[in-house]
Amino acid sequence: QSALTQPASVSGSPGQSITISCTGASSDIGYYNYVSWYQQHPGKAPKLMIYDVSKRPSGVSSRFSGSKSGNTASLTISGLQAEDEGDYHCSSYTTSGTLVFGGGTKLTVL
Amino acid sequence: EVQLVESGGGLVQPGGSLRLSCVASGFTFSRYAMSWVRQAPGKGLEWVSGISGSGSSAYYADSMKERFTISRDNSKNTLYLQMDSLRAEDSAVYYCAKDPLRLINTFDIWGQGTLVTVSS
Repeated sequence: QSALTQPASVSGSPGQSITISCTGASSDIGYYNYVSWYQQHPGKAPKLMIYDVSKRPSGVSSRFSGSKSGNTASLTISGLQAEDEGDYHCSSYTTSGTLVFGGGTKLTVL
Repeated sequence: EVQLVESGGGLVQPGGSLRLSCVASGFTFSRYAMSWVRQAPGKGLEWVSGISGSGSSAYYADSMKERFTISRDNSKNTLYLQMDSLRAEDSAVYYCAKDPLRLINTFDIWGQGTLVTVSS
């Protein structure tokens, strides 16, 4: 199972919106609505931000939203804040009964 | 407080074995599927293996299927990962994670990770 494809890095200024893409295949993102997004700060464990494509866990800011079109999922962060800086990872369940992650995207808040 | 605490990492020679443990607290451990996820230095996350709440079903990433074994002891609230025939490319921080919804899907609670280094 190949890893999902994410951009290596994205950046934005405070207050702006950014979108991180996550491209898979018809056997993972395109087949199931089981895409999750995680935020990770240096030296820390990942934190769940979005699950089932667009659902937010309790306590996660409404500035974070998720969507999907075909084989590509997206995470949008609106009203960018300095604390949003970090790495973002997407994942998807697959038709093989396994889980695949993306390579991660480093978000820089300028 | 809901918490996962991993242990058992360390330095091991190529071809060697290691058993990781993950102790859960603050939730009914047996009700939830669990997984191991690893992260090599400077790299992305990689799902390793998952197991159902009862322990009756287990799944593995292809590259680890013949070498790693996941198990759990619900009486001890503990998840395990037995790793055999270790290779340099298995060097990573290994996280255990709780799946709140369904087996091998999404992870709402993560441990702090335990570092495994495979080197001679």
